[in-house]
Amino acid sequence: EAGVTQFPSHSVIEKGQTVTLRCDPISGHDNLYWYRRVMGKEIKFLLHFVKESKQDESGMPNNRFLAERTGGTYSTLKVQPAELEDSGVYFCASSQDVGLFEAFFGQGTRLTVV
Amino acid sequence: GEDVEQSLFLSVREGDSSVINCTYTDSSSTYLYWYKQEPGAGLQLLTYIFSNMDMKQDQRLTVLLNKKDKHLSLRIADTQTGDSAIYFCAEMGANNLFFGTGTRLTVIP
Repeated sequence: EAGVTQFPSHSVIEKGQTVTLRCDPISGHDNLYWYRRVMGKEIKFLLHFVKESKQDESGMPNNRFLAERTGGTYSTLKVQPAELEDSGVYFCASSQDVGLFEAFFGQGTRLTVV
Repeated sequence: GEDVEQSLFLSVREGDSSVINCTYTDSSSTYLYWYKQEPGAGLQLLTYIFSNMDMKQDQRLTVLLNKKDKHLSLRIADTQTGDSAIYFCAEMGANNLFFGTGTRLTVIP
């Protein structure tokens, strides 16, 4: 069974450009999460989808970040326009249940804004 | 909000035991987790402990939980070079995980 996959694995963009990250969860997992780790700091929650609905987006830093999950399958996270402080590793995770939280994480997308 | 703290670095010699410590703030957390991130890889769930337990052992891994002090530790016995990675402590919040900064474990041959 395929795990959680993220694309791209690395992205280097210039400040002001747009980047779209993609996450394909494990098939059948209704819950999809985005997290971010800024260099040397903790991994922080960004948002949580249940199917195609945003359950909790309290961790989204600002309105330059837009997450979607059309059809309740894969999700995209768009950063527009990117700023230097957006650099970090963006992780996606999926799980079947929210209550018993056994989430499977992707390998992450390393975003560098220069 | 929840706050999870870990030391950033730990070095041990191959064959020794490693102890990675973590403190957390949310006493209502029902589960506490240890994740491992190897270079170039994603986060891998290593083990977890339910909040009504004091200890959990799984092969070379021992998790100790002190609820009174809100302290969680991960002990790796007979540490191997393959154990070199970043280890993240996490607590379960209302609907998601709150992670620490991660402890980079370096195993010296």
